[in-house]
Amino acid sequence: DGGITQSPKYLFRKEGQNVTLSCEQNLNHDAMYWYRQDPGQGLRLIYYSQIVNDFQKGDIAEGYSVSREKKESFPLTVTSAQKNPTAFYLCASSMARGPTQYFGPGTRLTVL
Amino acid sequence: DAKTTQPPSMDCAEGRAANLPCNHSTISGNEYVYWYRQIHSQGPQYIIHGLKNNETNEMASLIITEDRKSSTLILPHATLRDTAVYYCIVRVAEGNDKLIFGTGTRLQVFP
Repeated sequence: DGGITQSPKYLFRKEGQNVTLSCEQNLNHDAMYWYRQDPGQGLRLIYYSQIVNDFQKGDIAEGYSVSREKKESFPLTVTSAQKNPTAFYLCASSMARGPTQYFGPGTRLTVL
Repeated sequence: DAKTTQPPSMDCAEGRAANLPCNHSTISGNEYVYWYRQIHSQGPQYIIHGLKNNETNEMASLIITEDRKSSTLILPHATLRDTAVYYCIVRVAEGNDKLIFGTGTRLQVFP
């Protein structure tokens, strides 16, 4: 099946540890995105990438890092510098210059 | 900031039509109206989008007023599985910019 996969669905980490969230897509989409969602809130953009080996900061990039070494993959690292990392993280992708974004199932990160 | 206004919540009886309104009075001529929904603890799902003509697909219909300042998403026969938060978003047709999600409308479909 074509789609976007995120793993794991639930993730627990101790405070001060870096953690990497996986996002893979087999839709042959050029652009990929990472959003964060807090309870009762809309989505906020963390990073996005329009092509391989290139990415741009979104509205809340501080404390996060990404890489885009392959078209299919866009992992997000939540570093210890992120002050409040507990949230629901969503990955999305879209065609080149295509505004319709398709989302993965999300990863719920809890930092203890 | 979100450029749309939606009611925070609505109820609908199963089998009836759900009509979800959205105001976007500052929409530009090159901006489309998009609708997504998010079922609890899942990723948002694309539903439909349109520019100025009414649109219909297998999930829903989108009615846009002639002045384009408001729109209505119609789920013709709501089911319990349609219970979700529905987001109305306006944005240009091209580009890979972010989607600006507001707080949406929480639709509760009841038996």
